[in-house]
Amino acid sequence: AQSVAQPEDQVNVAEGNPLTVKCTYSVSGNPYLFWYVQYPNRGLQFLLKYITGDNLVKGSYGFEAEFNKSQTSFHLKKPSALVSDSALYFCAVRAGMDSSYKLIFGSGTRLLVRP
Amino acid sequence: NAGVTQTPKFRVLKTGQSMTLLCAQDMNHEYMYWYRQDPGMGLRLIHYSVGEGTTAKGEVPDGYNVSRLKKQNFLLGLESAAPSQTSVYFCASRPSAEAGGYNEQFFGPGTRLTVL
Repeated sequence: AQSVAQPEDQVNVAEGNPLTVKCTYSVSGNPYLFWYVQYPNRGLQFLLKYITGDNLVKGSYGFEAEFNKSQTSFHLKKPSALVSDSALYFCAVRAGMDSSYKLIFGSGTRLLVRP
Repeated sequence: NAGVTQTPKFRVLKTGQSMTLLCAQDMNHEYMYWYRQDPGMGLRLIHYSVGEGTTAKGEVPDGYNVSRLKKQNFLLGLESAAPSQTSVYFCASRPSAEAGGYNEQFFGPGTRLTVL
């Protein structure tokens, strides 16, 4: 069965430092992977996705993610964190091979960037 | 474009009451989804629709019903609300899959429901 895990409930980082939010997955077949961000009292916003191609995917707001097939990971990264990046981040994987293309979400990681 | 909108934004119900949450999208998307978000559990899929007139069960469908009579609207119903249905509900939509790929979902702002 497809699943996704975010091992850290919270990540703390100082402004200007690099940040990493971890995600590991388990799928049958080729993985379709996504990162979403949720700001307080808002819906989820799409950041980036990996379907195929380069292992380093660039997305919105300066975020990027590295796909590692051997480690079944899809970690979210940013070279220099901003206080405004503080939010809840969700990793997701496509569930199933049929055309309905449902997503399975991880439990979320809260990112706190301190000034 | 307004994107994905949800009505209402907040609601408080008593146990046993019923209500309907409305989701509307103006992007002509084929697929629509209803999720619930609970602390520490991420988003869980309740029901989804792959087109007008179709619905299907997701991960946690019990206690909910849905209808998609029009392509742009996806309704989530609670016939007899229970405290366990206290949650934040999100609607999402996405276009049909591009050739060889998958399009991301677009989310509404959410409905915060409390069942007393």
